[in-house]
Amino acid sequence: EVQLVESGGGLVQPGGSLRLSCAASGFTVTNNHMSWVRQAPGKGLEWVSIIYSGGFTYYADSVKGRFTISTDNSKNTLYLQMNSLRAADTAVYYCARGVISGTYYFDYWGQGTLVTVSS
Amino acid sequence: SYDLTQPPSVSVSPGQTARITCSGDALPEKYAYWYQQKSGQAPVLVIYEDNKRPSGIPERFSGSRSGTMATLTISGAQVEDEADYYCYSTDSSGNHWGVFGGGTKLTVL
Repeated sequence: EVQLVESGGGLVQPGGSLRLSCAASGFTVTNNHMSWVRQAPGKGLEWVSIIYSGGFTYYADSVKGRFTISTDNSKNTLYLQMNSLRAADTAVYYCARGVISGTYYFDYWGQGTLVTVSS
Repeated sequence: SYDLTQPPSVSVSPGQTARITCSGDALPEKYAYWYQQKSGQAPVLVIYEDNKRPSGIPERFSGSRSGTMATLTISGAQVEDEADYYCYSTDSSGNHWGVFGGGTKLTVL
C-alpha cells in the first residue's frame, strides 16, 4: 500500500528556515517523480517543486532560489529545504507521487504538514 | 501564466446530477484531471486523463473534455460527495507539471 507521511512543519519567523520530510512506503521514492504542493489557508492548490527519478529538479517561480527539493534513497524519504521564508509561504505542504503520462499528475498524496511564517 | 477557470460553487440536492466545469485555453490539446478534497483532508484523484476512474472511485464520478472545457459529472450525488473539487492540467509550454483550477465547492443538501 502506498503511503506518504509528512513531518517538519511548524511556526517560523520571516527569514527563517525549515526542512520538511516525507516518508514513503509501498514504493521507492527515487524511482518516481515526486513533488511538493502547497495550499495556503482557505486557498487553492499550488504546485511548488518536482524532482524527477533522474534527479532533475524544477521549482515554481515563487520559491525558486529559496527552496530545495531532494531525496534520500536509504531512508526512502523526500525533503523540502525552505530558506528565507516569507509570510506568503504559510500553507499546508503536501508531498505527492507523480505519474508522467503525457502530462505529469499526482496519484498519491500525503496528509500534509502546516508551515506558519509569522513573527 | 496559465489559468484554469472553475465556478466557485455548485449546489445540488442528493440524488441529482452535479456538473463542475473547468475552462482553459490549452484543454483542446491537454488531458484534464480532477481532485476531490474534503474538509481537512488531502486531495484525492477521482478522474485522470479526462475520463478514467482510479480504483476505488465510485462509478457515479465521470469526466469529459470538449474544446476548451472539461467537465466533472457526479451522477446521483451523495451527501458524502460534498467537497472542494479541483481540475488540473498543463499548458502548451512543454513543462510536464501543470496548474490547478481555483476549485469548486460542491454542496449537496
